Amino acid sequence: KAGVTQTPRYLIKTRGQQVTLSCSPISGHRSVSWYQQTPGQGLQFLFEYFSETQRNKGNFPGRFSGRQFSNSRSEMNVSTLELGDSALYLCASSLQPGQGNIQYFGAGTRLSVL
Amino acid sequence: KQEVTQIPAALSVPEGENLVLNCSFTDSAIYNLQWFRQDPGKGLTSLLLIQSSQREQTSGRLNASLDKSSGRSTLYIAASQPGDSATYLCAVDRGSTLGRLYFGRGTQLTVWP
Repeated sequence: KAGVTQTPRYLIKTRGQQVTLSCSPISGHRSVSWYQQTPGQGLQFLFEYFSETQRNKGNFPGRFSGRQFSNSRSEMNVSTLELGDSALYLCASSLQPGQGNIQYFGAGTRLSVL
Repeated sequence: KQEVTQIPAALSVPEGENLVLNCSFTDSAIYNLQWFRQDPGKGLTSLLLIQSSQREQTSGRLNASLDKSSGRSTLYIAASQPGDSATYLCAVDRGSTLGRLYFGRGTQLTVWP
């Protein structure tokens, strides 16, 4: 059974551009969560999707958005990139949200903003 | 608000030592506590998951314990090896229908030969 797949693995963008990251969950998993990891802030929660609906959102500006498709695949978008958006973006999937369902993480997308 | 703290922040030991990494959390209303390993620049690898009804879990040289009432967990690594060098992260949920995990800042472990 394939794990959580994140694409691309690496991205280099310049300030002001926008970027879209993709996450394919484990087959049968319907919940997807996104996290940002930086050396300064550690792992911070971005948002959680279930059945194409955003159920929870972290404390990030509106430049960060996401969506989930009917096949449970998820994308997150960052518009008007800033240097501080350079980070490792991690996606996790689970059968359902919360209630003790185990989350499995992908390898991440490393975003560098120049 | 759930807050997770990990002590120590960094640890450097010679090969063969037995280690204890500590994790504490402020809200005991959790379903699961999970320990992850992260190698530099890589994603998270799940090591052990302890359900709130359990006291400990073991996998090979790793043993994790959970004291939910006091909000503490420890990860015990026996007979450490250079290949154990990585950052170890502890995460808990909120015991609700929301899937958000709360992470500690991690313990950066270096095991030298």
